[in-house]
Amino acid sequence: DAKTTQPTSMDCAEGRAANLPCNHSTISGNEYVYWYRQIHSQGPQYIIHGLKNNETNEMASLIITEDRKSSTLILPHATLRDTAVYYCIVRVTTNAGGTSYGKLTFGQGTILTVHP
Amino acid sequence: ETGVTQTPRHLVMGMTNKKSLKCEQHLGHNAMYWYKQSAKKPLELMFVYSLEERVENNSVPSRFSPECPNSSHLFLHLHTLQPEDSALYLCASSPGLSSYEQYFGPGTRLTVT
Repeated sequence: DAKTTQPTSMDCAEGRAANLPCNHSTISGNEYVYWYRQIHSQGPQYIIHGLKNNETNEMASLIITEDRKSSTLILPHATLRDTAVYYCIVRVTTNAGGTSYGKLTFGQGTILTVHP
Repeated sequence: ETGVTQTPRHLVMGMTNKKSLKCEQHLGHNAMYWYKQSAKKPLELMFVYSLEERVENNSVPSRFSPECPNSSHLFLHLHTLQPEDSALYLCASSPGLSSYEQYFGPGTRLTVT
C-alpha cells in the first residue's frame, strides 16, 4: 500500500486558512488521495478526494502536485470545530477472494488544533 | 448524524463474557465495515461485507465473529476477549464496495477487564 507521511500536529488561528500537507511519493497512477477527519469521540468523516486535478467542495480544497507525490488539504477559514485529527489516505483497490473493494488504510494523521 | 448508529456506545465486559455490538445504517447502502481503533494506533480494518456476504477478514482472531443478517445491520459478536482487545470499534457503510465515501458511526468504546 502507498504510504503517506503527515506532520504529527499543527496549529491554526481561528478564521485563518489551515494548510495540511501530505507526502505520498509511492502513489500509483490510478490511486486516489482521500482526506478524512476524526473529531474527538466521533467516527471519521469524509472530507474530499482527488486523483490528479485540484478539487474543492463545501468543506475544503485539495491541491495535488503535478507529479502526484504530495498534496495539501486547505480549510479556507478554520473554526474551533475544525479541531480534529486529519488523515491523508491513498485508497488502494484490494482484491479479496475475487471481489475488489476500495481499502482505506489510516495512518496516525495530523492533529490540527484551531485556537481563538 | 451520519445515518450510521452503533449500540451500545460504551461496554465493559469480563474476559469470560459474551457480548455483541450492533451497527445499523439508514442510508440504503450495500457495503458495511468493522474497524478497530486502539489507543495510539491507527484504525485497523477488520471485516468487509457486501450484500450480506463477507468479503474480507483481515486476519482477525476468531474471538471476534461478525454477522450481517441484512444490508442494514451488522453485528460483531465477542467472546473470551483479552484486555488488549479494549478499543473503539467503529462501523462504517458505503453505497457499494467501490464507492468513494464511507460513512462512519460514532463507535462503541469497549473495555475488557
